[in-house]
Amino acid sequence: NAGVTQTPKFRVLKTGQSMTLLCAQDMNHEYMYWYRQDPGMGLRLIHYSVGEGTTAKGEVPDGYNVSRLKKQNFLLGLESAAPSQTSVYFCASRRGFGELFFGEGSRLTVL
Amino acid sequence: AQSVTQPDIHITVSEGASLELRCNYSYGATPYLFWYVQSPGQGLQLLLKYFSGDTLVQGIKGFEAEFKRSQSSFNLRKPSVHWSDAAEYFCAGGSGAGSYQLTFGKGTKLSVIP
Repeated sequence: NAGVTQTPKFRVLKTGQSMTLLCAQDMNHEYMYWYRQDPGMGLRLIHYSVGEGTTAKGEVPDGYNVSRLKKQNFLLGLESAAPSQTSVYFCASRRGFGELFFGEGSRLTVL
Repeated sequence: AQSVTQPDIHITVSEGASLELRCNYSYGATPYLFWYVQSPGQGLQLLLKYFSGDTLVQGIKGFEAEFKRSQSSFNLRKPSVHWSDAAEYFCAGGSGAGSYQLTFGKGTKLSVIP
């Protein structure tokens, strides 16, 4: 009964490097989300998906790409990391308009 | 624009005192609303949710919230705070009619004095 699992949990990148964060959920939820959390800013939506093969932009999508090839997985990619992308990233999923279920977060530092 | 506002950035209360955390929303239609709690270094845990019906909602850990349409508010309350309640609290909201996004407030950090 894992719920929402994010990998990796910690990562340090150099400016310009690329990486992918993986989110996996085992609750058969239709909707999945990627948020970033920064001090004093709350959670801001990066991208979301309402079903397999679909993605949409959220509030702060620039510099990120996403893919949802399988219903249970939602990938967040950084093609060329920048220090401004240093943050804690949270993945979440939900069924319909119910509550969000969150992963434990992935802490990314870009030097 | 749809929004959720938490006016208080940081609140300090004494253990055993009552607590009220404020949340205001701005939605055209009746929103659905949530309160989440986040302990340091952890993910977010749902405390309670409101969709419709009874405007007083009971949650986990002794928390409750009241939906007040006239004041566009959904304040979180607890009659007696415990030291373990120290955390950051987030209000979030969404509306139906095809909107898939939840909007979060910026959070209120709660400190508890023993």
